[in-house]
Amino acid sequence: AQSVTQLGSHVSVSEGALVLLRCNYSSSVPPYLFWYVQYPNQGLQLLLKYTTGATLVKGINGFEAEFKKSETSFHLTKPSAHMSDAAEYFCAVRVTGANNLFFGTGTRLTVIP
Amino acid sequence: DADVTQTPRNRITKTGKRIMLECSQTKGHDRMYWYRQDPGLGLRLIYYSFDVKDINKGEISDGYSVSRQAQAKFSLSLESAIPNQTALYFCATEGARAGATEAFFGQGTRLTVV
Repeated sequence: AQSVTQLGSHVSVSEGALVLLRCNYSSSVPPYLFWYVQYPNQGLQLLLKYTTGATLVKGINGFEAEFKKSETSFHLTKPSAHMSDAAEYFCAVRVTGANNLFFGTGTRLTVIP
Repeated sequence: DADVTQTPRNRITKTGKRIMLECSQTKGHDRMYWYRQDPGLGLRLIYYSFDVKDINKGEISDGYSVSRQAQAKFSLSLESAIPNQTALYFCATEGARAGATEAFFGQGTRLTVV
């Protein structure tokens, strides 16, 4: 069985501060890992994904995430938060052969001016 | 125009009414999905379809049905709406090699059952 845990349903950071959103997964086989972002009144859009190869993945808008197999983690980071980063972020996992994505419960990011 | 279009964007309906949410896509993807989003619960899969003749139940299919009218169209129906079906509903599509590819989402339909 596969599952995704996002620690912290709400995270607040100051503008210019480091953003760290945590994601841990449970899977019996190496999964594909995704981060999606949802801006207000919009659908989800892909930030970045890990499939194979390099474990540090760079995405759009300056975000990146590192796949750590030993820790079963895929935390999302951005060195300097911008007001436009305020949104809800979802970590998702799919294992090979699975029919759909499994989503975490989401983390709402607030950026304080 | 959006690649994945959902109609309506907002809907208020009464308990017991039948309602249909529609999704159309211009991505040319075979795989289509309906998800439900509730605060604190993330997205949960209702139904999915891998082609016109293929319909599969997801995690929370009770109280819902779907129809895949064409490759580009996938509708979700609530036969008799109840208040706990109040939620944000998303349609999504994926290409055939779905393992490593991204899903494309519509903008969502906010449904309120009163």
